[in-house]
Amino acid sequence: GENVEQHPSTLSVQEGDSAVIKCTYSDSASNYFPWYKQELGKRPQLIIDIRSNVGEKKDQRIAVTLNKTAKHFSLHITETQPEDSAVYFCADRGSTLGRLYFGRGTQLTVWP
Amino acid sequence: EPEVTQTPSHQVTQMGQEVILRCVPISNHLYFYWYRQILGQKVEFLVSFYNNEISEKSEIFDDQFSVERPDGSNFTLKIRSTKLEDSAMYFCASSRLAGSLEQYFGPGTRLTVT
Repeated sequence: GENVEQHPSTLSVQEGDSAVIKCTYSDSASNYFPWYKQELGKRPQLIIDIRSNVGEKKDQRIAVTLNKTAKHFSLHITETQPEDSAVYFCADRGSTLGRLYFGRGTQLTVWP
Repeated sequence: EPEVTQTPSHQVTQMGQEVILRCVPISNHLYFYWYRQILGQKVEFLVSFYNNEISEKSEIFDDQFSVERPDGSNFTLKIRSTKLEDSAMYFCASSRLAGSLEQYFGPGTRLTVT
């Protein structure tokens, strides 16, 4: 089955710095790649996604890039703030009907 | 903004007991999912549901599990005879249409089997 690997598992940055989280996937038919943010005790929240016909997508301080040839996609957060601290999950849809395959998550800590 | 809701937030049960986890998807959504997350592990897909039937299920979703949409608003996950290894956070999610890929998650139910 599909396998999504996510790195790093923990990431600490100073406020104002950038943070990058990377994921790789195995199913070449994957066509949808969402990113979820989960604050402690709260629901996973969809923050950005990208479809396979696009190489990059940006929403304010958040951007996602996709390299289909290399089968990897990344989340970039610029000008980080303490409220960005959370666990971030990447996922992909593989070639399935709707099922999402998740990475293990990255605990991002932004120090003031 | 509408959100997926789940009840209860925490359920403690004894091994061998049946539990029912409840979800109310976003009202105009048509696709429903259950995922689980064992502490410290990945979020794992269990099952998807559309038009009153299962669309897809994972290898985790064995005969001990069932899903139901008993009325126009609720979507339930039943575990018939719980095992210790069923202890996890269970998330319900919903999406609007087949072409709408975005899945919106509920806050989860923490199931503890003792």
